[in-house]
Amino acid sequence: AQKITQTQPGMFVQEKEAVTLDCTYDTSDPSYGLFWYKQPSSGEMIFLIYQGSYDQQNATEGRYSLNFQKARKSANLVISASQLGDSAMYFCAMREGPQGGSEKLVFGKGMKLTVNP
Amino acid sequence: DAMVIQNPRYQVTQFGKPVTLSCSQTLNHNVMYWYQQKSSQAPKLLFHYYDKDFNNEADTPDNFQSRRPNTSFCFLDIRSPGLGDAAMYLCATSRERMGRGRTGTQYFGPGTRLLVL
Repeated sequence: AQKITQTQPGMFVQEKEAVTLDCTYDTSDPSYGLFWYKQPSSGEMIFLIYQGSYDQQNATEGRYSLNFQKARKSANLVISASQLGDSAMYFCAMREGPQGGSEKLVFGKGMKLTVNP
Repeated sequence: DAMVIQNPRYQVTQFGKPVTLSCSQTLNHNVMYWYQQKSSQAPKLLFHYYDKDFNNEADTPDNFQSRRPNTSFCFLDIRSPGLGDAAMYLCATSRERMGRGRTGTQYFGPGTRLLVL
């Protein structure tokens, strides 16, 4: 079974608008962490934001916020005021704690965001 | 600036000819990772070092080896590259392993695109 699901293969948004990128996850481990990375066409994976399973509040980092709904197992990334430079692939990833066995980062398939002027 | 550096950015090799990719970091992080990312796919973890402790993923082919001579440097050796090994190779570091109370956030280098002729 897929651990991280990103169902949107691609999205288009107008510059300065907000956009939500969907991510759902599957784990039985009570301790886990969720990450979002951005990968521009240059290839580098850029860390955006982190949410821990025990965190009480949704994570925020500048224009990025994470809409964490634990019961629904979703961790959607919200980008406010989109910029042209936000055009990239976006990957949702999860790390499971030691009870999960491998203690590694598992990535979703990613989704491509295009910001139009 | 502290960072993760990968050289070269592009590497062309011949079928069956050994090739080495290098990664260095100025973050003084304990953990270094190597990922393989094929076109339009998510990164796949090959192995990681926690300090000098080498951890191989179960499905990583024997063709792939790694060396970490010191904290700053880590190498990926592909002993006999095949056409299927053409991919982006991403190096990442984290201060500590993931686990309860530790985010284990991974910071990536720009990657090396490997082409096998």
